[in-house]
Amino acid sequence: AQSVTQLGSHVSVSEGALVLLRCNYSSSVPPYLFWYVQYPNQGLQLLLKYTTGATLVKGINGFEAEFKKSETSFHLTKPSAHMSDAAEYFCAVTISNTGNQFYFGTGTSLTVIP
Amino acid sequence: DTEVTQTPKHLVMGMTNKKSLKCEQHMGHRAMYWYKQKAKKPPELMFVYSYEKLSINESVPSRFSPECPNSSLLNLHLHALQPEDSALYLCASYDYRGNEQYFGPGTRLTVT
Repeated sequence: AQSVTQLGSHVSVSEGALVLLRCNYSSSVPPYLFWYVQYPNQGLQLLLKYTTGATLVKGINGFEAEFKKSETSFHLTKPSAHMSDAAEYFCAVTISNTGNQFYFGTGTSLTVIP
Repeated sequence: DTEVTQTPKHLVMGMTNKKSLKCEQHMGHRAMYWYKQKAKKPPELMFVYSYEKLSINESVPSRFSPECPNSSLLNLHLHALQPEDSALYLCASYDYRGNEQYFGPGTRLTVT
């Protein structure tokens, strides 16, 4: 079975500071991993994904994440936070390309302090 | 066209009403999903259609009835809902080739 754990339901950073949102996964088979962002009253938008290949993946809006198999982690980072980054972030896992079921973490609410 | 559209954007209904939510995509994706999302919570999977066939039903109460008339359209029929069913209902489609799930903006449902 697959599952995702996001450490820290709320993270606050100052504008211009490093953003680090943590995600650990559990999967009995090689996972596909995703980070989504959700702004208030909107749907989820894909930030980035890892399927195979390069373990450091770059996404939109300056975000990136590194797949570390040994640590079963897929943490999301951004070097310099912007006010517009304030949102809810979800990590998700699925297996291969079956497209059947995505398992979401509980989410991390990011606040950016001016 | 790389978007999933959902109508209506907002819906208020009484517990005896019958209403439907609609979701549409024209990206050629062959899997479509309904999720329910409460405030500050992750999306909860309700149903998955794969190639127009229901492949996953997460023990959803029968007052929710999904329908997939064709590969581009997904409906969710609502009947005799309860106030606790008030939530954001999200539709998504899945691209098997790109391994990406595309979400619609959601329908904010309030049951009175």
